[in-house]
Amino acid sequence: GENVEQHPSTLSVQEGDSAVIKCTYSDSASNYFPWYKQELGKGPQLIIDIRSNVGEKKDQRIAVTLNKTAKHFSLHITETQPEDSAVYFCAANRRGSGYSTLTFGKGTMLLVSP
Amino acid sequence: SAVISQKPSRDICQRGTSLTIQCQVDSQVTMMFWYRQQPGQSLTLIATANQGSEATYESGFVIDKFPISRPNLTFSTLTVSNMSPEDSSIYLCSVDVRDARAFFGQGTRLTVV
Repeated sequence: GENVEQHPSTLSVQEGDSAVIKCTYSDSASNYFPWYKQELGKGPQLIIDIRSNVGEKKDQRIAVTLNKTAKHFSLHITETQPEDSAVYFCAANRRGSGYSTLTFGKGTMLLVSP
Repeated sequence: SAVISQKPSRDICQRGTSLTIQCQVDSQVTMMFWYRQQPGQSLTLIATANQGSEATYESGFVIDKFPISRPNLTFSTLTVSNMSPEDSSIYLCSVDVRDARAFFGQGTRLTVV
């Protein structure tokens, strides 16, 4: 089955710096890679996603890159703000009979200090 | 996107009892998913619930422990049966809106004492 590795497990940055979180996946059939942000006491929130026909996608301060050959994808957050502090999860889809399920990485706790 | 409501938001239960968690979506969806998130851990898929058919369980999860209902396209329930302290987790409902794009409810925080 699919295996998703995520690094680092914790990341501390100063406000205004950039943050990068990296994930690798094992199943070459995966074609959908979302990123979720989970704040304390809340459910995961989809912040950006990318499909395998695209190498990069950007939405304001966040961007995701995908290297299908190497089976890795990364989340980039620029100009970090204290409200970016949360746990971030990457995921990859596992394609089944007519639908996909998601396999998640172990998460990265991002702390942005003012 | 979709608005997903889970009830209860949290509960403290005695070991040996059962708890049923409800998940309501504001639109009709084909696929609904139940995840478990143990304290400080990642999300693990319990089962996939498709309306009109039996739920499909992931390895390590069984129907007797986690029975699921999916009576219509906007609602599902997950029951955690014969609970033990090891079942203390956040249980999350998720829906697949389009092409695997999944949205989550706020979760149910369960503590078993």
